[in-house]
Amino acid sequence: EAGVTQSPTHLIKTRGQQATLRCSPISGHTSVYWYQQALGLGLQFLLWYDEGEERNRGNFPPRFSGRQFPNYSSELNVNALELEDSALYLCASSLVAGAFFGQGTRLTVV
Amino acid sequence: DAKTTQPPSMDCAEGRAANLPCNHSTISGNEYVYWYRQIHSQGPQYIIHGLKNNETNEMASLIITEDRKSSTLILPHATLRDTAVYYCIVRVAERGNNDMRFGAGTRLTVKP
Repeated sequence: EAGVTQSPTHLIKTRGQQATLRCSPISGHTSVYWYQQALGLGLQFLLWYDEGEERNRGNFPPRFSGRQFPNYSSELNVNALELEDSALYLCASSLVAGAFFGQGTRLTVV
Repeated sequence: DAKTTQPPSMDCAEGRAANLPCNHSTISGNEYVYWYRQIHSQGPQYIIHGLKNNETNEMASLIITEDRKSSTLILPHATLRDTAVYYCIVRVAERGNNDMRFGAGTRLTVKP
């Protein structure tokens, strides 16, 4: 069974551009969680989607947004990129109990 | 946001047991304790979870106190590859109600 997959693995953007990150959950999982992890820091909760709806969001500005598609895959969009948005973006999927992570997208803003 | 407290760092000698504590004094009756670890900027890896009984799997053991206000993750024979950041979280196992927040975790260093 395939695990959580994220694409792209690496992404380089310039300041002011938009970035789109994608996450495919484990088959059957309906919840997708997004986290930002700046270098050397912990996992900061960004967004939680379940059954196509945004259930909760962390303390991030509105230029961080996303959506969940009918097949439960998800996109994270970051508009008007700033240098401090450079980080590892992690996605996790869950149905009820366990949650499993992808390997992340490393976003670098130059 | 996190509902758990962990020491920021711990050391352990290779081959010895690593005991990682976690405080979750405000845990609710329907919240499980989960442990994850993250090795050098990889995606966090699920280790184990439990509600109130002690649990064991091939990776670790989880000991939860009777009042459920704290727990300990035990790696029985730590190896150098167990060096990682270990996260303890509490989370409801209920569809649509299972938000998931992480604290800073414990950085475990296994030394030869």
